[in-house]
Amino acid sequence: QQQVKQSPQSLIVQKGGIPIINCAYENTAFDYFPWYQQFPGKGPALLIAIRPDVSEKKEGRFTISFNKSAKQFSLHIMDSQPGDSATYFCAAIKGGSYIPTFGRGTSLIVHP
Amino acid sequence: GAGVSQSPSNKVTEKGKDVELRCDPISGHTALYWYRQSLGQGLEFLIYFQGNSAPDKSGLPSDRFSAERTGGSVSTLTIQRTQQEDSAVYLCASSLRDSSQPQHFGDGTRLSIL
Repeated sequence: QQQVKQSPQSLIVQKGGIPIINCAYENTAFDYFPWYQQFPGKGPALLIAIRPDVSEKKEGRFTISFNKSAKQFSLHIMDSQPGDSATYFCAAIKGGSYIPTFGRGTSLIVHP
Repeated sequence: GAGVSQSPSNKVTEKGKDVELRCDPISGHTALYWYRQSLGQGLEFLIYFQGNSAPDKSGLPSDRFSAERTGGSVSTLTIQRTQQEDSAVYLCASSLRDSSQPQHFGDGTRLSIL
């Protein structure tokens, strides 16, 4: 059973576009939602994270939107650049736990 | 070193052989995780170490998999009698305490079983 569902599996945009990656979860015990960015041949790196007490968080060109009632959260990349081409993973962690549950990832390509 | 170091970066071995994968976490990080990443899949949790506590082995897929962490630092993941389905990238991560702290990942070991 996939506890965190991520979509789309792949995404192609033009430079300057705003790719949006969505994640949905069922378990209301999740209370921490990080996003990771992974380049080919490298390990994932934490990009941005949010807790359910806020509906939006911005860090530079990256924004997380969080809809607690719908149990959904999404990553938006403003003014996307070719250097943003990577695989993005959402994750969710239960309160008091230490084991993240990851989505299956979204491969993003930003064309020049 | 400045980051999490994993070795080897690539490992090719024959089915049935044993393999050992090594992880050097960031100095001072008490939490250490092993994950498996298969093509098109997310990260699958394998095992978690926190300080001197007993590890959480709940993610290990079979008894062929084991891991140790010596002196609260370096960790070794061992896979015995490897099978083709063990082919994947094995990632190690460390953090200051637990997963509410940012996890810092190594670049992984790409394991290929022939």
